[in-house]
Amino acid sequence: GIQVEQSPPDLILQEGANSTLRCNFSDSVNNLQWFHQNPWGQLINLFYIPSGTKQNGRLSATTVATERYSLLYISSSQTTDSGVYFCAVETSGSRLTFGEGTQLTVNP
Amino acid sequence: NAGVMQNPRHLVRRRGQEARLRCSPMKGHSHVYWYRQLPEEGLKFMVYLQKENIIDESGMPKERFSAEFPKEGPSILRIQQVVRGDSAAYFCASSFGSTGEQYFGPGTRLTVT
Repeated sequence: GIQVEQSPPDLILQEGANSTLRCNFSDSVNNLQWFHQNPWGQLINLFYIPSGTKQNGRLSATTVATERYSLLYISSSQTTDSGVYFCAVETSGSRLTFGEGTQLTVNP
Repeated sequence: NAGVMQNPRHLVRRRGQEARLRCSPMKGHSHVYWYRQLPEEGLKFMVYLQKENIIDESGMPKERFSAEFPKEGPSILRIQQVVRGDSAAYFCASSFGSTGEQYFGPGTRLTVT
């Protein structure tokens, strides 16, 4: 099956800093999504981005499907950005395959 | 526009009991997925259903686990004779079509004592 690798596994930032999270995948995909799992365990949809670039406030994402990677940018980080960020891809058959996540901690 | 709803949010069961987890998809969505998140791990696919049909159950344990999505009412994930290893967060997601963005519910946290 498809392999999804996220880096870095852990990231600690000071409030106001910028960061880039990476997701590499081993095969072509139909769908790629980024999620934020907050400290209460809820999964928040950030982006549906099988290709191209999207922006939503301080967050943006870019997927380069031909090179099999996606990047999530967080600018001017806030303590509420803390949590785990997951990348998930769909190849065929509709199921999402998740990466192991990046644990982000933003300190005040 | 209500999102994906799951209940209960927390469920405690003793070993050997049955657990029933419910999921109501977003309005207009007819595709439902169940995922499991074991402690300190990522999410793993379990089963994909459409109304009255199981499309893909390849991620679901062969024994004790079953899922349904009836014509009327929510999707149900049923775990019989629970064991401590079943303790996890169970997430339901829905989508409008067979491909496209999946939206997740808040999850049901199952604890087996």
